[in-house]
Amino acid sequence: GAGVSQSPRYKVAKRGQDVALRCDPISGHVSLFWYQQALGQGPEFLTYFQNEAQLDKSGLPSDRFFAERPEGSVSTLKIQRTQQEDSAVYLCASSLGTSERYNEQFFGPGTRLTVL
Amino acid sequence: QKEVEQNSGPLSVPEGAIASLNCTYSDRGSQSFFWYRQYSGKSPELIMFIYSNGDKEDGRFTAQLNKASQYVSLLIRDSQPSDSATYLCAVIRYGQGNLIFGKGTKLSVKP
Repeated sequence: GAGVSQSPRYKVAKRGQDVALRCDPISGHVSLFWYQQALGQGPEFLTYFQNEAQLDKSGLPSDRFFAERPEGSVSTLKIQRTQQEDSAVYLCASSLGTSERYNEQFFGPGTRLTVL
Repeated sequence: QKEVEQNSGPLSVPEGAIASLNCTYSDRGSQSFFWYRQYSGKSPELIMFIYSNGDKEDGRFTAQLNKASQYVSLLIRDSQPSDSATYLCAVIRYGQGNLIFGKGTKLSVKP
């Protein structure tokens, strides 16, 4: 009955390094979302999966950002050649349904990424 | 104009009072509305969701939606110091799945 889990909780990367952030959604949740939250701001949408299909990646800020969910469960967000502006909290959320109307999303604890 | 607007606050209320948090949205195609609470250093926690015009009550919380005015609010009755947090308003547009958030309103409940 665990909630959404994310790892690592904290990541410090040197500029130019690649990072991979993991999200384990609530068991049975079909939809999975990645958001980026800068200090003092609301979360901003990055990308959305329904099962293993990536239905929307319009929020990914550049082609350095890549996400996958190959078996429709765990998802990984990868950031290549990290830049200082990538420093933020990366939040993963999952929801049970596929309907955009009944779509209560539950968030994981987030990964705080700091790029030096 | 941002799609979801909230007064950033801080909103300060005494313990036991009613806290009123407001949110406006610009896209008339928005169809689902959510309030999340976020404590400092923590992730957002879902408090309420509302889909239809009118009021929806859950314990001390009441969400109000007025689609004609493109306005959604959250009332917290008998506010407690533990309610001190940032409250995020979010919407989902018709045909989309992702949440669109406001910047949040910081609430402080003074004992």
